[in-house]
Amino acid sequence: AQSVAQPEDQVKVAEGNPLTVKCTYSVSGNPYLFWYVQYPNRGLQFLLKYITGDNLVKGSYGFEAEFNKSQTSFHLKKPSALVSDSALYFCAVRDVGNTPLVFGKGTRLSVIA
Amino acid sequence: SQTIHQWPATLVQPVGSPLSLECTVEGTSNPNLYWYRQAAGRGLQLLFYSVGIGQISSEVPQNLSASRPQDRQFILSSKKLLLSDSGFYLCAWGPGQGVRGTDTQYFGPGTRLTVL
Repeated sequence: AQSVAQPEDQVKVAEGNPLTVKCTYSVSGNPYLFWYVQYPNRGLQFLLKYITGDNLVKGSYGFEAEFNKSQTSFHLKKPSALVSDSALYFCAVRDVGNTPLVFGKGTRLSVIA
Repeated sequence: SQTIHQWPATLVQPVGSPLSLECTVEGTSNPNLYWYRQAAGRGLQLLFYSVGIGQISSEVPQNLSASRPQDRQFILSSKKLLLSDSGFYLCAWGPGQGVRGTDTQYFGPGTRLTVL
């Protein structure tokens, strides 16, 4: 069965510093990996996804994610954090088995001015 | 462009009362539709998904049910609410023609349900 883990409940970074939100996955076939962001009392917003090809995926709001097959990871990154990036971030996975997305428990990102 | 609506936005209901949450999608045909529940602002639990009218897959056995009476309408219901049903309910849609690995799911604004 497919699964995804976000090992950090919370990440704190200073504004202007680079940020990384970690995600590892487990699938039986080829993984399709997604990142979403959720602001308070809002639905999830799609940021980016990895399907195939280049291991570095660029997405919305300056975010990017790096796919690493050997480490089964898909970490979300941003070169310079903004206070407005403070939110809850979800990693999700689907394998070739054609099932709904399976989400991690989420990581709360706090960017401090 | 496609849009997804959920209503109501917030709901306060007594224990034992019925529930009906509605989700509709505009700008697409034959979407895949999903209901998730989020407790305490954290992880998402998939409740139901549907790949077509009248086709509902249940992921978690509980006192909730789902129906899809029209192509772009997805309804979450309960005959008798429990305290544990409180949470943030999210509807999502994805491109139809079956669930493919590459399909993105797009979420609605959510319904905050409080059961007292």
